[in-house]
Amino acid sequence: QSALTQPRSVSGSPGQSVTISCTGTSSDVGGYNYVSWYQQHPGKAPKLMIYDVSQRPSGVPDRFSGSKSGNTASLTISGLQAEDEADYYCCSYAGSFVVFGGGTKLTVL
Amino acid sequence: QVQLQESGPGLVKPSETLSLTCTVSGGSISSYYWSWIRQPPGEGLEWIGYIHYSGKTRYNPSLNSRVTISVDTSRNQFSLRLSSVTAADTAVYFCARGYSSGWSAFWGQGTLVTVSS
Repeated sequence: QSALTQPRSVSGSPGQSVTISCTGTSSDVGGYNYVSWYQQHPGKAPKLMIYDVSQRPSGVPDRFSGSKSGNTASLTISGLQAEDEADYYCCSYAGSFVVFGGGTKLTVL
Repeated sequence: QVQLQESGPGLVKPSETLSLTCTVSGGSISSYYWSWIRQPPGEGLEWIGYIHYSGKTRYNPSLNSRVTISVDTSRNQFSLRLSSVTAADTAVYFCARGYSSGWSAFWGQGTLVTVSS
């Protein structure tokens, strides 16, 4: 099993929107509606931002949204803020195990 | 609010067994799925495996032969054992609470384990 594919980095200016992609296969992302997204600041534990493709946990701003098409899931952050600068990881159920993406560093310019 | 805390040796010798425990407070371990995830320094997250309080386990296929996750409901703890470690197993190890679909809403702060002689 291979890690899900994410861009190494993305960037955007405050107020703009950015989208981070997460590409897998029909055995993971494409096969189940169980994609989640995590935000991780340096030295901190990951924080759940999206689960089940597009569901937001309580307390996560609605600026964060998730979607999926085929074998690719996406996380969109609108109205970028300085505190959104962090690493983002996607994660997918794969039948009998779980797989993470390689991570994307978001820079807020 | 549930809290998780990892504990165990911070240094393990090559070829030995890494053992960590996660203590759960503020909630019962007798529900949900309990995961171990690790992160090598400067790298991404890697799912190790999870256990249901009933004892059902699932492991990362790439680690399957070396990993054992167990649960102690009487102590509200679950544990990780990773055998035959090498320097490649050096990482911050996180424990987390979640669901069988893989997502975890509550995480421990993580503990760094270094494999070195």
